[in-house]
Amino acid sequence: NAGVTQTPKFQVLKTGQSMTLQCAQDMNHNSMYWYRQDPGMGLRLIYYSASEGTTDKGEVPNGYNVSRLNKREFSLRLESAAPSQTSVYFCASGGTLYEQYFGPGTRLTVT
Amino acid sequence: AQSVAQPEDQVNVAEGNPLTVKCTYSVSGNPYLFWYVQYPNRGLQFLLKYITGDNLVKGSYGFEAEFNKSQTSFHLKKPSALVSDSALYFCAARNSGNTPLVFGKGTRLSVIA
Repeated sequence: NAGVTQTPKFQVLKTGQSMTLQCAQDMNHNSMYWYRQDPGMGLRLIYYSASEGTTDKGEVPNGYNVSRLNKREFSLRLESAAPSQTSVYFCASGGTLYEQYFGPGTRLTVT
Repeated sequence: AQSVAQPEDQVNVAEGNPLTVKCTYSVSGNPYLFWYVQYPNRGLQFLLKYITGDNLVKGSYGFEAEFNKSQTSFHLKKPSALVSDSALYFCAARNSGNTPLVFGKGTRLSVIA
């Protein structure tokens, strides 16, 4: 079991470029989440998907889009990157035991 | 709206001494409460949870936490700290509906030899 995997691990973008962060889980969880972590801010929810075919906005959705491709995969897209989106991005999944399981993160820098 | 507060940005403790990392929450209905730990350049690892039952819950690596409904608190504790416990600790909460976790801002624990 790989758990939750994320690609890429690191990325540098120029302002205005686009990219997609990929996330996959092999635990057969219904729910998947995208968070960003910034110093002193904790983890803030960007988007989540309670089940395949549904997505909902979290606390900080502006500038992002998501796709729940199937039960395993949940991608996060930045259409036009901005320096304010420099952050560490974590994907998580959650099952019937209530806790969430996190991927290793993607460190994104926008210059 | 649900919220979690961790009032201390940093906690310093000597190795072998007991440690406490504080957390208070605001959740509608019955709270589900969690502690996670993050080591440098890693994702978050689940430590323990309170869903229902005994107010004292035990988790990984010798950690435990006490649920106090009247004080809306869920403090993380360990009887004897290790240098290897030094990390960033997050408290999180949700209600019993299918809602995402809300996280506190984190507390950096430093255990000094």
